[in-house]
Amino acid sequence: EVQLVESGGGLVQPGGSLRLSCAASGFTFSRYWMHWVRQAPGKGLEWVSRVNSDGSRTDYADSVRGRFTISRDNAKNTLFLQMNSLRAEDTAMFYCAKSYGGELIDWGQGTLVTVSS
Amino acid sequence: EIVLTQSPGTLSLSPGERATLSCRASQSVYNNYVAWYQQRPGQAPRTVVYGASTRVTGIPDRFSGSGSGTDFTLTISRLEPEDFAVYYCQQYGSLPPFTFGQGTKLEIK
Repeated sequence: EVQLVESGGGLVQPGGSLRLSCAASGFTFSRYWMHWVRQAPGKGLEWVSRVNSDGSRTDYADSVRGRFTISRDNAKNTLFLQMNSLRAEDTAMFYCAKSYGGELIDWGQGTLVTVSS
Repeated sequence: EIVLTQSPGTLSLSPGERATLSCRASQSVYNNYVAWYQQRPGQAPRTVVYGASTRVTGIPDRFSGSGSGTDFTLTISRLEPEDFAVYYCQQYGSLPPFTFGQGTKLEIK
């Protein structure tokens, strides 16, 4: 059974940093693209970033490019999202998702990031 | 960036009825790379269909996706109580960003 478990969310002040993790199990992690998607409270889904299977290619939404960095450790079956210069508008539930490329096939349960002073 | 517009915003139906959800793209989606996701209150999204019409393993066959080019549809043939949720379409045919529609809320009438 595919399992994706996010962690690392919490309350952070504007301008601060946070590192999210997504622990994967139940599939061969190193064969799949992985994504981060977020959802602000009461709002819709927003695609954030993706990384290819070996970590050599990354893509970002314009809203986070230059502030967020996606990476992965295939030896530890873990996906990361380093978030710097956080803003109030980054407040959201962050989901990791497994993908063949662009479509999101399996999702984690999410980790909540709150940016507030 | 491709903009996806979902309609209607809210759809009120009764269990057993047929639901038709629409997703229109601002430009043609390459290879009909459109996915549909279901999100129940307080839960993570769940993938229903990808590639416009391929149902994810474990999704009941009352769900079907169709469409091509700029117009895509998710049909639920006979609504069950657990189908009432918010549905999002997403395109992944162009270079990122992989945009989502704003969602259609399917509610019990």
